[in-house]
Amino acid sequence: SQTIHQWPATLVQPVGSPLSLECTVEGTSNPNLYWYRQAAGRGLQLLFYSVGIGQISSEVPQNLSASRPQDRQFILSSKKLLLSDSGFYLCAWNSQNTEAFFGQGTRLTVV
Amino acid sequence: AQSVSQHNHHVILSEAASLELGCNYSYGGTVNLFWYVQYPGQHLQLLLKYFSGDPLVKGIKGFEAEFIKSKFSFNLRKPSVQWSDTAEYFCAVHTGGFKTIFGAGTRLFVKA
Repeated sequence: SQTIHQWPATLVQPVGSPLSLECTVEGTSNPNLYWYRQAAGRGLQLLFYSVGIGQISSEVPQNLSASRPQDRQFILSSKKLLLSDSGFYLCAWNSQNTEAFFGQGTRLTVV
Repeated sequence: AQSVSQHNHHVILSEAASLELGCNYSYGGTVNLFWYVQYPGQHLQLLLKYFSGDPLVKGIKGFEAEFIKSKFSFNLRKPSVQWSDTAEYFCAVHTGGFKTIFGAGTRLFVKA
């Protein structure tokens, strides 16, 4: 069966420090991969999605970037965090004929 | 750009009342449609989904949704809500561009 792992679960980082959140999927190949940010009253804002290795689509201009170095690995990064980057980040995967499956989420606090 | 609109941000109902949550999307192509629920302190879980076929879809816990293509809508319904239905509900659309986008969510509070 398919599983999705996202880590870390919580992270406290100082302003200006780098960020790397990792997400891996097991049990499927060539998944669509997503990074969302969930905020109260805003639902899940799509940040990035990827349909294949090295293919990244950015939905909103921001201080973050994403990379897909392997088929089932999706990384969310920043070179220098801002206070406004604080939030709850969710990784997800799906295929053309499935619903989205979510990771456990990462609560990022930038101080 | 594609978008998903959920008309009600907050809904308060008494137990046994009927529920209908609106969802409209903007995309002219083929879509897959979903409703997810997030109970307090828990992660998102799938309520129901529509890919093709009968536009009236039945999900878990007595929920159903109807896809009306001409209205670009996928409203969620339940004939009689329970206190345990208190949660946040998200409509989502998966487009042909391999992108899944979510609405802003509707917070439902059911009074016992």
